Amino acid sequence: DQQVKQNSPSLSVQEGRISILNCDYTNSMFDYFLWYKKYPAEGPTFLISISSIKDKNEDGRFTVFLNKSAKHLSLHIVPSQPGDSAVYFCAANYGGATNKLIFGTGTLLAVQP
Amino acid sequence: SAVISQKPSRDICQRGTSLTIQCQVDSQVTMMFWYRQQPGQSLTLIATANQGSEATYESGFVIDKFPISRPNLTFSTLTVSNMSPEDSSIYLCSVMVSGNTIYFGEGSWLTVV
Repeated sequence: DQQVKQNSPSLSVQEGRISILNCDYTNSMFDYFLWYKKYPAEGPTFLISISSIKDKNEDGRFTVFLNKSAKHLSLHIVPSQPGDSAVYFCAANYGGATNKLIFGTGTLLAVQP
Repeated sequence: SAVISQKPSRDICQRGTSLTIQCQVDSQVTMMFWYRQQPGQSLTLIATANQGSEATYESGFVIDKFPISRPNLTFSTLTVSNMSPEDSSIYLCSVMVSGNTIYFGEGSWLTVV
């Protein structure tokens, strides 16, 4: 049972335009959401997070939006740069004592110069 | 954040052997986690390793196959025992430093032949 889903395995965007990566989840107990960027054969790099009590969090070029009623979150990257080309994972956290992250399957973003 | 170092960064292992992966953190942390990413797959939590207690394993992972040590607040090891080609993966050490954000090491890429 895939509790966190990224339905787009890949996305191609022109440099300077907006990249929108989407993520859906099924478990209403998730209370914290994170986005990670990953290059091949490297560990994931934390990008941005959002608590379930918020609907938006912004950090520089990265903005995460959370729609709890739809169980949907998205990551916006503006403007997109070629160095943003990587696999992006969304992850959800139960919080509490476990702090276990459930990851989506990832979206490969390619930013074309 | 935290600086997390893993050794080895990559290795080619013979079937039936065991390999121990080391994880060193530059600060004291209570919660450490070991994840696995098999080729083309998402990240999956193997176990949570808290200092002073036995590691807690996720469904599908057992101590005999993946013994973990956590001797102090800055160090942990994961052993992959009796390896088979199905164990070829990136193994990732991660820590929770503050809040609900989990940071990852650069990973250990194991290929079993």
